[in-house]
Amino acid sequence: QTVVTQEPTLSVSPGGTVTLTCGLRSGSVSTNYYPSWYQQIPGQAPRNLIYNTYTRSSGVPDRFSGSILGDKAALTITGAQADDESDYFCVLYMNTFEVFGGGTKLTVL
Amino acid sequence: VQLLESGGGLVQPGGSLRLSCAASAFSFSSYAMTWVRQAPGRGLEWVSAISGGSGTFYADSVRGRFTISRDNSRNTVYLEMNSLRGEDTAVYYCAKKARYSWGPGSMDVWGQGTTVTVSS
Repeated sequence: QTVVTQEPTLSVSPGGTVTLTCGLRSGSVSTNYYPSWYQQIPGQAPRNLIYNTYTRSSGVPDRFSGSILGDKAALTITGAQADDESDYFCVLYMNTFEVFGGGTKLTVL
Repeated sequence: VQLLESGGGLVQPGGSLRLSCAASAFSFSSYAMTWVRQAPGRGLEWVSAISGGSGTFYADSVRGRFTISRDNSRNTVYLEMNSLRGEDTAVYYCAKKARYSWGPGSMDVWGQGTTVTVSS
């Protein structure tokens, strides 16, 4: 079972806002886990969007933002576009391990 | 800035394979490097990492079977894989960490991956 949890699927309307979350099967996610977010278009390599909870990677549009919401890390996409349809993975840094979540498949429709 | 993996292929269970990842257009010796894999139809799984100073780190699922190393003179990181199992079948990506030591932060450059298939 995956220690790091994500919604398997989410959908958003074009122009809408969606929040993807990243939790722990046991416990709360905090900035101490330095959550990062990666976008992966099927058949392509992942691309880093957010690291260290809030920081956007170079060239990432500001419609992507990272935060902590309650006991989870969150990736919010504001003003979703068709090419945001993709798989999204969070990863937590835990005692020298990078632990990926199972991923969220985001549909824009 | 580019990473190019090679060395994947078909190998029998119990066999060995060595993956290579050649880096270009950045100061390779100044950054930690890592391997991440993705089984068919599955999510990403962190496999191993090596710091700029050659400290090594492994996921529990591969510790004792896989060895990561780097040759800064060749701008290349390697993943030696022994005692391969069916569950090691995956696309293996190498990625650059945006720091010298292994620690939290962005994996900011990724290769396109090389496919390893473990099957008889």
